[in-house]
Amino acid sequence: DTEVTQTPKHLVMGMTNKKSLKCEQHMGHRAMYWYKQKAKKPPELMFVYSYEKLSINESVPSRFSPECPNSSLLNLHLHALQPEDSALYLCASSQANTEAFFGQGTRLTVV
Amino acid sequence: QKEVEQDPGPLSVPEGAIVSLNCTYSNSAFQYFMWYRQYSRKGPELLMYTYSSGNKEDGRFTAQVDKSSKYISLFIRDSQPSDSATYLCAMSATGTASKLTFGTGTRLQVTL
Repeated sequence: DTEVTQTPKHLVMGMTNKKSLKCEQHMGHRAMYWYKQKAKKPPELMFVYSYEKLSINESVPSRFSPECPNSSLLNLHLHALQPEDSALYLCASSQANTEAFFGQGTRLTVV
Repeated sequence: QKEVEQDPGPLSVPEGAIVSLNCTYSNSAFQYFMWYRQYSRKGPELLMYTYSSGNKEDGRFTAQVDKSSKYISLFIRDSQPSDSATYLCAMSATGTASKLTFGTGTRLQVTL
């Protein structure tokens, strides 16, 4: 099973809302990632968790707050987003130095 | 100069053609190379993964890595309309939970 599951698939939120994106994998991977992808652009790394600890934060605004409750779960908490934050948010997982597997993404629209 | 260069296309080929997709890179520390296929509004799907130099074949797909030239390729044989998608190369250096550096993606259209 090489599946990374993301929920919800679609999300529309107002600029004052608080919402969370969820990601789950059961491949025993110890690294999990959040990427942001705008239309016709490659994914851009936001955060990396390695062994449930935040190891990379690519200078992402504080309105995005990641959380890794355990080795299988990854959350991205959203608060006070801007319309320009509308994008496809992708979760991925990997073992160290191996290929990364992506979920199908959450398509976020901020209104 | 970008770390990874990839022709954005679009690349249009007839069904049954052999497709060649390429990326060049500048960072000699890259050792792990991946090709992803991404359909519109979906997440990237891993097609091929190669460590260091060499060739790897999986069905209609062949990945080649030439580290001396800093050049990687993906060949698709007997292309099908279902292969129409954006193809992203990605690579990473050593270390745990390394960040992937992506090419811009090549949009491929296979016509009937």
